[in-house]
Amino acid sequence: TQLLEQSPQFLSIQEGENLTVYCNSSSVFSSLQWYRQEPGEGPVLLVTVVTGGEVKKLKRLTFQFGDARKDSSLHITAAQPGDTGLYLCAAVSSGSARQLTFGSGTQLTVLP
Amino acid sequence: DTGVSQDPRHKITKRGQNVTFRCDPISEHNRLYWYRQTLGQGPEFLTYFQNEAQLEKSRLLSDRFSAERPKGSFSTLEIQRTEQGDSAMYLCASSFRDIATGELFFGEGSRLTVL
Repeated sequence: TQLLEQSPQFLSIQEGENLTVYCNSSSVFSSLQWYRQEPGEGPVLLVTVVTGGEVKKLKRLTFQFGDARKDSSLHITAAQPGDTGLYLCAAVSSGSARQLTFGSGTQLTVLP
Repeated sequence: DTGVSQDPRHKITKRGQNVTFRCDPISEHNRLYWYRQTLGQGPEFLTYFQNEAQLEKSRLLSDRFSAERPKGSFSTLEIQRTEQGDSAMYLCASSFRDIATGELFFGEGSRLTVL
């Protein structure tokens, strides 16, 4: 069973700071997704990365997929209180196209 | 609102009782997923339907759990003889394309508390 490890588990920062969260595994993935979840809501997709080494930007968020397609990072520039939430990485392994496995998440709190 | 709808949003029950959750996916989505999420953890896969066929089940889905999607539209997840360890958020998601290239659209979840 593939395991996605996210770090850090909790992160509390001041508005305006930069941060990076990580998603690592020993497995190779055909694709990897990042979701954000707010309290009382379901996760919402932010981005899908498919190609090793791929970098995608979504406003102040930068997502990178590792060259070997085993890890990914999410960098947020100038964090805002609205960025607060649970950030989840999720992946489909090379052998299965029918389920998405989620990491345990990084709980981000951005203080005003 | 054409998003994924789940009912009820909250359910409190006593140990040993049966509970049923309903999920109405986005209408044109033929793929439907059930996940379970406990506090501080990411969602755990439970089961997957393509149209009315249940194609994949997690080993997490014990004999007390059963899911159906009789007409390939809405789905139900029933838990029999609930245990305190069943307390969690039960999330339903749907998609149109294969998950490798597509996106899961999640409902707001059904929170179960077993006393």
